[in-house]
Amino acid sequence: TQLLEQSPQFLSIQEGENLTVYCNSSSVFSSLQWYRQEPGEGPVLLVTVVTGGEVKKLKRLTFQFGDARKDSSLHITAAQPGDTGLYLCADFYSSYKLIFGSGTRLLVRP
Amino acid sequence: ETGVTQTPRHLVMGMTNKKSLKCEQHLGHNAMYWYKQSAKKPLELMFVYSLEERVENNSVPSRFSPECPNSSHLFLHLHTLQPEDSALYLCASSQAFRGDSNEQFFGPGTRLTVL
Repeated sequence: TQLLEQSPQFLSIQEGENLTVYCNSSSVFSSLQWYRQEPGEGPVLLVTVVTGGEVKKLKRLTFQFGDARKDSSLHITAAQPGDTGLYLCADFYSSYKLIFGSGTRLLVRP
Repeated sequence: ETGVTQTPRHLVMGMTNKKSLKCEQHLGHNAMYWYKQSAKKPLELMFVYSLEERVENNSVPSRFSPECPNSSHLFLHLHTLQPEDSALYLCASSQAFRGDSNEQFFGPGTRLTVL
């Protein structure tokens, strides 16, 4: 059974700081997705990456997929309080199945 | 209403009660999902319906019973639950099985507490 490990589990930073969170898989990803879940809401898809070495940018968020397709990182530049939430990585490994990591809980203090 | 809605948002029930969770999607999708999100485990897929037919039952105990009467509505019927079933239950929908681009849209969840 595939296991997705995310680190750190918790992160509390000041507004304006940069941060990186990580997702590592026990096996090769089929298709990696990153989600953000805000308090009281369901997860919202941020990005899907498929190709090893791929880098995608979404405003201040940069997503990197490892060459071997077993790891990924999410970098946030100049974090804002609106970035607060639970960041989840997931492997979309069939036409409908998602396996999720346990997440990184981020708090950005004003 | 837009997106995926779930009712109730909060539910407290005793172990002998019977209750139902409701999910409705307003996105024209034809696949719907139930997930469980508990404090100590990653988000877990419970059930999947595609074109109103159940295609996945991820070893879920029989005290959870899903129902999908049409492509817009999904229910989760609960009976004789255990305290360890307390969790956030999330519903999601998507276009059925479109490969890499199959984005799932989640509702806000029902926070369930079993006493």
